[in-house]
Amino acid sequence: GNSVTQMEGPVTLSEEAFLTINCTYTATGYPSLFWYVQYPGEGLQLLLKATKADDKGSNKGFEATYRKETTSFHLEKGSVQVSDSAVYFCAPEDSGGYQKVTFGIGTKLQVIP
Amino acid sequence: DAGVIQSPRHEVTEMGQEVTLRCKPISGHDYLFWYRQTMMRGLELLIYFNNNVPIDDSGMPEDRFSAKMPNASFSTLKIQPSEPRDSAVYFCASSVAGTRGNEQFFGPGTRLTVL
Repeated sequence: GNSVTQMEGPVTLSEEAFLTINCTYTATGYPSLFWYVQYPGEGLQLLLKATKADDKGSNKGFEATYRKETTSFHLEKGSVQVSDSAVYFCAPEDSGGYQKVTFGIGTKLQVIP
Repeated sequence: DAGVIQSPRHEVTEMGQEVTLRCKPISGHDYLFWYRQTMMRGLELLIYFNNNVPIDDSGMPEDRFSAKMPNASFSTLKIQPSEPRDSAVYFCASSVAGTRGNEQFFGPGTRLTVL
């Protein structure tokens, strides 16, 4: 099955700082790739996705580019806000065709004013 | 749509008691997933269903855990008997079949505490 390596947190940044959360994966073929976000006390929700190589997913100022050469899908944001404080999960889709994904361990981001 | 609905939101029980967690997926979704989240182990997939049929239950930790999906709009996860190490947040998620890259929609979770 797939595996995901995601940088461990917590990551603490000041407001308006640049954010990078690294994610690399091993998988069969070229799976769709996802970033999910979990705000305190809530379930996970999709932040962005990319379904093929060189695609860039973006949402709420976050971006991630599908790099098949390095099997990576790093999450970036140019200027974080306090409201971005959450846990971020990288997740490649499994190849079995059953909508299953493999979630990384999650990276907790804390943004301080 | 109201999204994925889970009940109860919080459950506190004593060791040895039976616990039943409930989930209503989004109408029209074909897949339903049960996850468990703990600080130590992160987010673990326990079992998932397609069209009410269990596809993979390899993540179910022990025979004390069982899950059913009697119809397209309802699923349960049961723990009998419960143990303190079962304390966690349990999430239900649903998705629709189709092409690649389909999103999973998560419920708010049930926080289970076993004393």
